[in-house]
Amino acid sequence: NAGVMQNPRHLVRRRGQEARLRCSPMKGHSHVYWYRQLPEEGLKFMVYLQKENIIDESGMPKERFSAEFPKEGPSILRIQQVVRGDSAAYFCASSDRDRPLYGYTFGSGTRLTVV
Amino acid sequence: SQQGEEDPQALSIQEGENATMNCSYKTSINNLQWYRQNSGRGLVHLILIRSNEREKHSGRLRVTLDTSKKSSSLLITASRAADTASYFCATDSTGYSTLTFGKGTMLLVSP
Repeated sequence: NAGVMQNPRHLVRRRGQEARLRCSPMKGHSHVYWYRQLPEEGLKFMVYLQKENIIDESGMPKERFSAEFPKEGPSILRIQQVVRGDSAAYFCASSDRDRPLYGYTFGSGTRLTVV
Repeated sequence: SQQGEEDPQALSIQEGENATMNCSYKTSINNLQWYRQNSGRGLVHLILIRSNEREKHSGRLRVTLDTSKKSSSLLITASRAADTASYFCATDSTGYSTLTFGKGTMLLVSP
């Protein structure tokens, strides 16, 4: 069991480009959560998805950010027209149910740097 | 807004000593969880305590929860250099199925 896999680990984008972050949940997990961590800060919730459905996107910026979790393949967090303020670590977590009994499993994150 | 707030922000101790970190939160919760993050890495789940529990143990970890004060503490006994990391509390609040994290406590354990 490879755990939650995120790629790439590091991503550098110029201002105005698009960033695509991928997350493959643990085998058997159908719930995916995206969080963002700014330097010296805790994680901030962005979006919660189940297969083909967005359950809660209350933490997503209204513009430029989108997320999907298709029937087949990884979950994708897309950031269009990146700006310097998007530089952060983006973490994905997965679970086998809503409110897992023993906590969530996190990936190692994607560190996005916008230059 | 931040739900969990850890205290202290940073803690430096010697190997063998105990480390205590505190967390306060603002709203009603289903459970409270503690995670560890090594520098530049992802989060590792340590322990979960439900709102109807007052204390929980796991190896060298001891977590307490006081819902009347909306606070929790994490005690690491007999610390080791490998315990050096940032520790975050996260609350699972009623009505939401996501976590709200505090800013964390940076723990440095010196040999």
